[in-house]
Amino acid sequence: NAGVMQNPRHLVRRRGQEARLRCSPMKGHSHVYWYRQLPEEGLKFMVYLQKENIIDESGMPKERFSAEFPKEGPSILRIQQVVRGDSAAYFCASSSANRGYEQYFGPGTRLTVT
Amino acid sequence: GENVEQHPSTLSVQEGDSAVIKCTYSDSASNYFPWYKQELGKRPQLIIDIRSNVGEKKDQRIAVTLNKTAKHFSLHITETQPEDSAVYFCAAGGNGNQFYFGTGTSLTVIP
Repeated sequence: NAGVMQNPRHLVRRRGQEARLRCSPMKGHSHVYWYRQLPEEGLKFMVYLQKENIIDESGMPKERFSAEFPKEGPSILRIQQVVRGDSAAYFCASSSANRGYEQYFGPGTRLTVT
Repeated sequence: GENVEQHPSTLSVQEGDSAVIKCTYSDSASNYFPWYKQELGKRPQLIIDIRSNVGEKKDQRIAVTLNKTAKHFSLHITETQPEDSAVYFCAAGGNGNQFYFGTGTSLTVIP
């Protein structure tokens, strides 16, 4: 069981560029959640997706951020025109349909905007 | 929406002593309360959880208690060891599968 996979682990972008973060859930899991963690802060919910559906995006900024979880392939969190304030660790977590409460986290992507 | 508060933000204990971390939540619809441990630079790892139909749950040196009436829940670590040093997060979740996390407690166990 490979667990939740995220790539890249570290990503450096200049202001104005696009960042694409990928998350492959655990085998058998169909629910994906994205969280943002600022340095020395807690985890802030961003978006919850199931295959081909966004279930809850109430924590996602209205502009520049988008997420998808296609039928095939990983979930992607896309940040357009990055700014310095986007620098953070982005974690995804996954859960199964019948044990939706238990979320398992990936190793995170550390985004640095220069 | 849900609001989870966690105290203390930092906690230092001598090895072998107990550590207690407390959280409160605001939404009475929340019915699932996990605790995560995050070591520096690592992913949060689920260490124990409790559902609203249970008042207490124990797993070796770790226990969690829940008081639904007062809307608070606590993590208890007994016989602490240096490897328990980490940041601990509580969370509250409910029907929407979304978790609301506390701000974390940085636990240091002094050998």
